[in-house]
Amino acid sequence: EAQVTQNPRYLITVTGKKLTVTCSQNMNHEYMSWYRQDPGLGLRQIYYSMNVEVTDKGDVPEGYKVSRKEKRNFPLILESPSPNQTSLYFCATLNYNEQFFGPGTRLTVL
Amino acid sequence: SQQGEEDPQALSIQEGENATMNCSYKTSINNLQWYRQNSGRGLVHLILIRSNEREKHSGRLRVTLDTSKKSSSLLITASRAADTASYFCVNTDAGGTSYGKLTFGQGTILTVHP
Repeated sequence: EAQVTQNPRYLITVTGKKLTVTCSQNMNHEYMSWYRQDPGLGLRQIYYSMNVEVTDKGDVPEGYKVSRKEKRNFPLILESPSPNQTSLYFCATLNYNEQFFGPGTRLTVL
Repeated sequence: SQQGEEDPQALSIQEGENATMNCSYKTSINNLQWYRQNSGRGLVHLILIRSNEREKHSGRLRVTLDTSKKSSSLLITASRAADTASYFCVNTDAGGTSYGKLTFGQGTILTVHP
């Protein structure tokens, strides 16, 4: 079954404690992307990757890092999380104009 | 970035009625997609319309595209309570590796009352 998985699904952490949200896809898609979704602001793209070792900034990259060492994985790294990064995060792949979204990760930074 | 902006922001209707949502975009278009999101969950692809198409149907969904006005509309006919969700549009390049940044609008929140 084609799918995008994210882990963890829910996370409560404290300010400054580094964390990583993993994203994995089994569709061999080249393009992967991270979004955050906040009330009244819709989905905003954080980072995207067109292929292995190729990443670029989206609309709201500040405070985030990503890496793309292999095609299937695209982890999102928060080196020093802050409360304004409390949000719902989605990973997605894109192939022939259709995006496939993961189930979401709800992150709370206290 | 390729941007979609949905209108209205919220729509409330009774089951059985039709729901129409609009999307406007600013850049040139190759394809436009509509997505649905149930509360707190990932987006699900509904339908894609290409720049050379003016109308497309999929089940109870009808999408139109007016490239001269840079707008699209999504019509859901005979709505059901299960159609309650947020709906988003986004336009993307056709194929290749030039997707770049993708920007979604805030979406239209559709509520269908039983």
